[in-house]
Amino acid sequence: AQSVTQLGSHVSVSEGALVLLRCNYSSSVPPYLFWYVQYPNQGLQLLLKYTSAATLVKGINGFEAEFKKSETSFHLTKPSAHMSDAAEYFCAVSAFTGGGNKLTFGTGTQLKVEL
Amino acid sequence: KAGVTQTPRYLIKTRGQQVTLSCSPISGHRSVSWYQQTPGQGLQFLFEYFSETQRNKGNFPGRFSGRQFSNSRSEMNVSTLELGDSALYLCASSFVAGGRAGELFFGEGSRLTVL
Repeated sequence: AQSVTQLGSHVSVSEGALVLLRCNYSSSVPPYLFWYVQYPNQGLQLLLKYTSAATLVKGINGFEAEFKKSETSFHLTKPSAHMSDAAEYFCAVSAFTGGGNKLTFGTGTQLKVEL
Repeated sequence: KAGVTQTPRYLIKTRGQQVTLSCSPISGHRSVSWYQQTPGQGLQFLFEYFSETQRNKGNFPGRFSGRQFSNSRSEMNVSTLELGDSALYLCASSFVAGGRAGELFFGEGSRLTVL
């Protein structure tokens, strides 16, 4: 079975500061990992994904994540936070179940960006 | 290219009623998944359909059902509504159906309130 753990349900940073959102995964098979962002009253938007190619993955809006197998981690970073980054972020792992397409999500991290 | 469209966006029902939610996937996407999002349980997988067949099902009671039509549009139904069914129901479509690429494109959701 696959699972992800997001450390910190709320993270607050100053505008211009580094954003670091933590995600650790558990998977019995090589995982596919994803980060999604959700703005209020909207669905989820894919930020980036890891599918066993390069371990450093670049996504949209300046975000990137590094897959570290030894640490079972897939932390999301952005060098400089912007007010528009305030949203909820979800880490997810793909569970291959007989050809099906299912994501298991973490509990989410609410990012607050302060002036 | 139009995104995933969910209707209705908001609805209010009373306990014991039933509800049907609709989802139109991105053109060309044959896999449609449904997720329930609540503050307490987070994002939980309901089921996935591909070519009118349910491929995966989450751990939800039989009151939750779905189907997919030949044009890939999908509906989900919840019968005998309970207060705990109040949630944001998210539909996601995917082009890669058989493998694990698992890139899901989400709609904006249908927010169900059960009174």
